[in-house]
Amino acid sequence: DSGVTQTPKHLITATGQRVTLRCSPRSGDLSVYWYQQSLDQGLQFLIQYYNGEERAKGNILERFSAQQFPDLHSELNLSSLELGDSALYFCASSERADRRGRHNEQFFGPGTRLTVL
Amino acid sequence: DQQVKQNSPSLSVQEGRISILNCDYTNSMFDYFLWYKKYPAEGPTFLISISSIKDKNEDGRFTVFLNKSAKHLSLHIVPSQPGDSAVYFCAASRRGSGNTPLVFGKGTRLSVIA
Repeated sequence: DSGVTQTPKHLITATGQRVTLRCSPRSGDLSVYWYQQSLDQGLQFLIQYYNGEERAKGNILERFSAQQFPDLHSELNLSSLELGDSALYFCASSERADRRGRHNEQFFGPGTRLTVL
Repeated sequence: DQQVKQNSPSLSVQEGRISILNCDYTNSMFDYFLWYKKYPAEGPTFLISISSIKDKNEDGRFTVFLNKSAKHLSLHIVPSQPGDSAVYFCAASRRGSGNTPLVFGKGTRLSVIA
């Protein structure tokens, strides 16, 4: 158990809809990352938050947005969904305050499988 | 443009033998490399990492080797066990202020045959 939780585990929705994925990081971790894994692809970085602020942006579509709340949990919002958005979405956390500034491994949640029909 | 490449989609090894998984990268700014293992329906699990100032890091049955001049790293698993059957992802990160996002390869599916 990595200590990172994600809800829901599965999500089935229709094109054009909007969904919200939720992530709770490991206790004490300040950074939250979102990654997308499509079929036969590696994990693609979407966005990173550190202590409530956006720190880095990857290949995140304009239809997608995220935020990190004061309690450090994060939400990824996906809107105007298309068939191609069907994928596994992983959240990861790292960077406990006492190791800030050093490379830390990222710990991943179990993922949310999104199916757009 | 794929900055981290795992050119072997799959690998089969007999139980007790050595498994060698390879990874190449193109970005010279990467200075930290990690291997993750992933079982179906689970998130990736951190396995082992190596900083660019080292050329080898060992943890039990797992050893990672880094060849910076060739921009190549490999993961050795000795001896291989059936429970090692999973998809292995190579990942890299670049120096930054604090932790930076990981760039992943597409993974290699390892099958350890009893």
